[in-house]
Amino acid sequence: GENVEQHPSTLSVQEGDSAVIKCTYSDSASNYFPWYKQELGKRPQLIIDIRSNVGEKKDQRIAVTLNKTAKHFSLHITETQPEDSAVYFCAALASGNTPLVFGKGTRLSVIA
Amino acid sequence: GAVVSQHPSRVICKSGTSVKIECRSLDFQATTMFWYRQFPKKSLMLMATSNEGSKATYEQGVEKDKFLINHASLTLSTLTVTSAHPEDSSFYICSAIWGAETQYFGPGTRLLVL
Repeated sequence: GENVEQHPSTLSVQEGDSAVIKCTYSDSASNYFPWYKQELGKRPQLIIDIRSNVGEKKDQRIAVTLNKTAKHFSLHITETQPEDSAVYFCAALASGNTPLVFGKGTRLSVIA
Repeated sequence: GAVVSQHPSRVICKSGTSVKIECRSLDFQATTMFWYRQFPKKSLMLMATSNEGSKATYEQGVEKDKFLINHASLTLSTLTVTSAHPEDSSFYICSAIWGAETQYFGPGTRLLVL
């Protein structure tokens, strides 16, 4: 089955700097890769996703890149702000009705 | 995005009692929903896949007789924790598939068993 590895587990950056979180997956059949942001005590919120027919996707300060050959994908947050502080989870999906396989999460702290 | 609600948001119960948690897709129909459990500072642990009109599929190690799942309609799945014990205390979150693959999460239910 699919296995998703996520690094780093914790990340601290100064406000205004960029943050990068990386994930790798094992199943070459996976074709959908969402990223979720979870604040303390709250639900995971979908912030961006990418499908395997696309190499990069951007939404304001957030971007995701996908390298299918290497089976890895990354989340990039630019101009970080304190409200970006949260736990970020990457995930991979092989087909529509199957469960997402999550990474273990990255705790991002943005220091003002 | 699509909206998923969950009720109750918080519940405290005595050991040995049963607790029912509801997960609803508010503005869309979901033939498939998922139930997760999350421990503090940990990732989401999939418990089961809930399929409308059929039996749920449980992950390895999850007791189906303890965590009863019913998906009786296209907008509602329920998780019942039977004979709850303190070790069942956790944050339980459901998700529903919107469209082909996008999953949206409910706000979660914090269960405390005394």
